[in-house]
Amino acid sequence: GENVEQHPSTLSVQEGDSAVIKCTYSDSASNYFPWYKQELGKRPQLIIDIRSNVGEKKDQRIAVTLNKTAKHFSLHITETQPEDSAVYFCASTGTASKLTFGTGTRLQVTL
Amino acid sequence: DSGVTQTPKHLITATGQRVTLRCSPRSGDLSVYWYQQSLDQGLQFLIQYYNGEERAKGNILERFSAQQFPDLHSELNLSSLELGDSALYFCASSANWGNTEAFFGQGTRLTVV
Repeated sequence: GENVEQHPSTLSVQEGDSAVIKCTYSDSASNYFPWYKQELGKRPQLIIDIRSNVGEKKDQRIAVTLNKTAKHFSLHITETQPEDSAVYFCASTGTASKLTFGTGTRLQVTL
Repeated sequence: DSGVTQTPKHLITATGQRVTLRCSPRSGDLSVYWYQQSLDQGLQFLIQYYNGEERAKGNILERFSAQQFPDLHSELNLSSLELGDSALYFCASSANWGNTEAFFGQGTRLTVV
């Protein structure tokens, strides 16, 4: 089945810096790649997603890139703010249709 | 509010017992997913239903079972509970079967003592 690897597991950046989180997937038929943000004690919430027919998508300070050949996708957060501190999960949908999540990245934005 | 409702929010039970977690998906969503999140861990996929039928299965223990009813709500049954089953159990729903946004409920925190 689909396997999603996510790196790094923890990331600490200074306020205003950029943060990059990377994921790789195994199923070449995967066609949907969402990113979720989970604040402490809360539910995961979608922040951005990308489909396999698109290479890049941007929403204000957040962008996602997809390289289908290499089977990896990345989340880019620019001008980080303290409220960006959370756990971020990548995910992908493969041929089995289930949504498989990466192991998560704990992002800490320091002042 | 995501529109996905999970009950109960908290559950404390003893080892060996059986519990049922309930999930009501967003109006119109046909797909329901169940995930287990242990302390400080990732989201482990358990099972997915689509319009009443099992669609995909993860590493769900044999002691766990689930179903989706005609009104599309879903229940996750956990039996012969062990201390290691203590976790946050999330339900999510989506309109389709995996290539659309999944909306998560607030989770049920299960504590086995």
